[in-house]
Amino acid sequence: AQKITQTQPGMFVQEKEAVTLDCTYDTSDPSYGLFWYKQPSSGEMIFLIYQGSYDQQNATEGRYSLNFQKARKSANLVISASQLGDSAMYFCAMFGNTPLVFGKGTRLSVIA
Amino acid sequence: NAGVTQTPKFQVLKTGQSMTLQCAQDMNHEYMSWYRQDPGMGLRLIHYSVGAGITDQGEVPNGYNVSRSTTEDFPLRLLSAAPSQTSVYFCASSPAGFSLINYGYTFGSGTRLTVV
Repeated sequence: AQKITQTQPGMFVQEKEAVTLDCTYDTSDPSYGLFWYKQPSSGEMIFLIYQGSYDQQNATEGRYSLNFQKARKSANLVISASQLGDSAMYFCAMFGNTPLVFGKGTRLSVIA
Repeated sequence: NAGVTQTPKFQVLKTGQSMTLQCAQDMNHEYMSWYRQDPGMGLRLIHYSVGAGITDQGEVPNGYNVSRSTTEDFPLRLLSAAPSQTSVYFCASSPAGFSLINYGYTFGSGTRLTVV
């Protein structure tokens, strides 16, 4: 069975600073994908970034990058130059031979 | 530009009532899924479908039924509502294969259900 663990229920970061949100995963599938989603207070789920298990390079998307360490089974999200609008819940999720499995999320609060 | 449309957005049910949450997508996606979101629990998979006529159970299927008669629609039926089913429900769709990498899952805006 696939499992996602997010150990940080809440995080605070100063505006313009970088922040890392942790995600570890467990799977026996050789092929899988890892996603990060943002959920602002309005409730919608916003797709941020994807990393495939066979990708050699870490994924980047604007201010978001994914620090993928396959041997450690970790897929941490790095947000650079935090903005007030980054305050939200962030979910790590995995796709393998089943639909997306989500972690419990991390609530990020950006402080001015 | 509709994407995934969920109706209704809000619903209050009495214990024992039944209802159907509607989900429709216009992107010709093969995969569709239903999730429930409870505080501190993330999103948990209820049922999913990999194509018309094919459905399967997820992590928390009890008390829910689904069917997929068309590619576009994936309704979720609550058979006999219970207070434990109070939650926010999300429908999601995704393409199969390579397109999934670029676009991820597309989520509906959610249905907030309260069972009293």
